[in-house]
This record gives sequence, structure tokens and C-alpha cells, in this order.
Amino acid sequence: GQQLNQSPQSMFIQEGEDVSMNCTSSSIFNTWLWYKQEPGEGPVLLIALYKAGELTSNGRLTAQFGITRKDSFLNISASIPSDVGIYFCAAPRSSNTGKLIFGQGTTLQVKP
Amino acid sequence: NAGVMQNPRHLVRRRGQEARLRCSPMKGHSHVYWYRQLPEEGLKFMVYLQKENIIDESGMPKERFSAEFPKEGPSILRIQQVVRGDSAAYFCASSPGTEGLEAFFGQGTRLTVV
Repeated sequence: GQQLNQSPQSMFIQEGEDVSMNCTSSSIFNTWLWYKQEPGEGPVLLIALYKAGELTSNGRLTAQFGITRKDSFLNISASIPSDVGIYFCAAPRSSNTGKLIFGQGTTLQVKP
Repeated sequence: NAGVMQNPRHLVRRRGQEARLRCSPMKGHSHVYWYRQLPEEGLKFMVYLQKENIIDESGMPKERFSAEFPKEGPSILRIQQVVRGDSAAYFCASSPGTEGLEAFFGQGTRLTVV
């Protein structure tokens, strides 16, 4: 079945460092979404990507939709303590619905 | 504009009892999705509903679980005769329509079965 694989599983970095994480699949998707989840909260949408090769930024966050449509990347520049959380990639199971498949998440910890 | 509202935030049930989880979508959103998240895992799709219709329940366990989204009022996820394995965080998301791929999530209901 369709599955999203995220790496790394966890990261422990120093404040100020840049962070890169990725999400891959054996299936092709037309949309990639990146969410952040903080403890005790629901996922919050960070960036949505709709076109292969697209590069989109949201403040210090930049995400790319892989040209093969089978992967996506999220970068965080100059990390700060409030970046701590779990980052999930997600993609729609079928076209034009909010029925999403999620990766297993990348846990980010930032040391001040 | 209030976001997706879920209640209760925390729910404790004894084995065999029923659990009812409520979700009010964002204003103007007519599509509701329920997801389950086990500890240290990603979210898993359960069911997709529109007003008075279940569109896709392919992720719902075959027994004990049901969902509805009535014409008036919140969407309800109902778990009958709960077991310890039902302990999880249950999230509801809403979107404005089939073109609304950017689903917005509630804060979740954390169900603990004792």
C-alpha cells in the first residue's frame, strides 16, 4: 500500500543550526504537505506543495516537491528552541480529498 | 474564526464502556476526517464524512467503531465496548471541500482505557 518514509527519525541539534529532513515514497503524489505537531496538540499545517519541482518558503522553513513526485524535503534555517516538535509529511490518498497518509514523523529537539 | 473544536480533550473510560468523541469543524467546512494516533506514530486515517454522509470508512475497524456527521451539530466518533488497545489520540480535521486539500486539525481527544 501507499506509505511515506521519513528520515531521520529524530534529530538533536544546537540552536542556530540548519535542519534538513525528507520524506520518500514508492508511490507518486500530486500534493505534499508538511505539518508540525507539538506535545498535546494537533498537527498544524506548515507548507503545502502542489507542483513537482516547486520550492516554497514560510519564514525560516523551505520545502520542496521532488521532481519525481515521490519525495519532498523540508529545511529549517537558523533553528530556535520553539522549533521543537514532531514534523510530519503527508500526502492525499486519492486525488482531491483531505484523506491523508502520514509519515511516521521526525522528532526535532533544539538545545539552546 | 474558531478552529476545529474537539471535546473532550481527555477521556478516561473503563474497559467495556462507550466513548463518544465530538468534533465541530471550522466555520464553512463541510468535510470532516477522523484520524487515530498511537504513541510515537503518525496519524492513521479512519473515516471521511460530509454532512449526513459517510464517504469513506476504509480506515475504521469493522466492529465497535462508528462515525456520523448529522445535518445539525458536531461530528461524533463512537467507540463501543472499549478495550485497552483503543487508547490513543483521536484527531478530527476539516476542509472546505474536495479541493480543500489543506485540512485543519483539532487539538485531539486523548482516550485512555483503564
